[in-house]
Amino acid sequence: DTAVSQTPKYLVTQMGNDKSIKCEQNLGHDTMYWYKQDSKKFLKIMFSYNNKELIINETVPNRFSPKSPDKAHLNLHINSLELGDSAVYFCASSQVIGGSSYNEQFFGPGTRLTVL
Amino acid sequence: TQLLEQSPQFLSIQEGENLTVYCNSSSVFSSLQWYRQEPGEGPVLLVTVVTGGEVKKLKRLTFQFGDARKDSSLHITAAQPGDTGLYLCAGGDTGNQFYFGTGTSLTVIP
Repeated sequence: DTAVSQTPKYLVTQMGNDKSIKCEQNLGHDTMYWYKQDSKKFLKIMFSYNNKELIINETVPNRFSPKSPDKAHLNLHINSLELGDSAVYFCASSQVIGGSSYNEQFFGPGTRLTVL
Repeated sequence: TQLLEQSPQFLSIQEGENLTVYCNSSSVFSSLQWYRQEPGEGPVLLVTVVTGGEVKKLKRLTFQFGDARKDSSLHITAAQPGDTGLYLCAGGDTGNQFYFGTGTSLTVIP
């Protein structure tokens, strides 16, 4: 069984469109994340959700909005897509134990977004 | 945002050689993780170190956390083609937020 899954795997779209990427984890974890990996392979955290509450919100444009319908899902919605949004987006999850900062993050396979 | 610089950025070696990857920062972290990422997949955790000076071994891989908890190294002995991949360090703060390093792309040539 896949621990963290993302759909779609590839997404090609035009500038100005609105799109969503879905993420689901079946590990029972209470924290989920969205990361953006650019063309230089730099992985930067965008959002983190713990028990349906946003606990980290890096300086990303407000065109990006995470939506968590339940603890197992954290979807990423992007409005008015721009060329610079092209990247690979990774979803991850972890189980936070006692506020520990050394919990393993399990990553999904990534969604390659290309904006034309 | 706390920056972790990895060096080298790219490394291509012959099978059987040894190598060391460095992860450096001016910030102190409560933990340091190393991940390996293969093409088309997400990163996979290799190890977590939490104590300054800590050394952990995973088969041919040796990880060390600096005494001041600002830096780390990954040493691979007798590299194999299966070690090929992107190696990422990640520093964790007390708020369970992780900052990833700039990455080291390793290619081991058979």
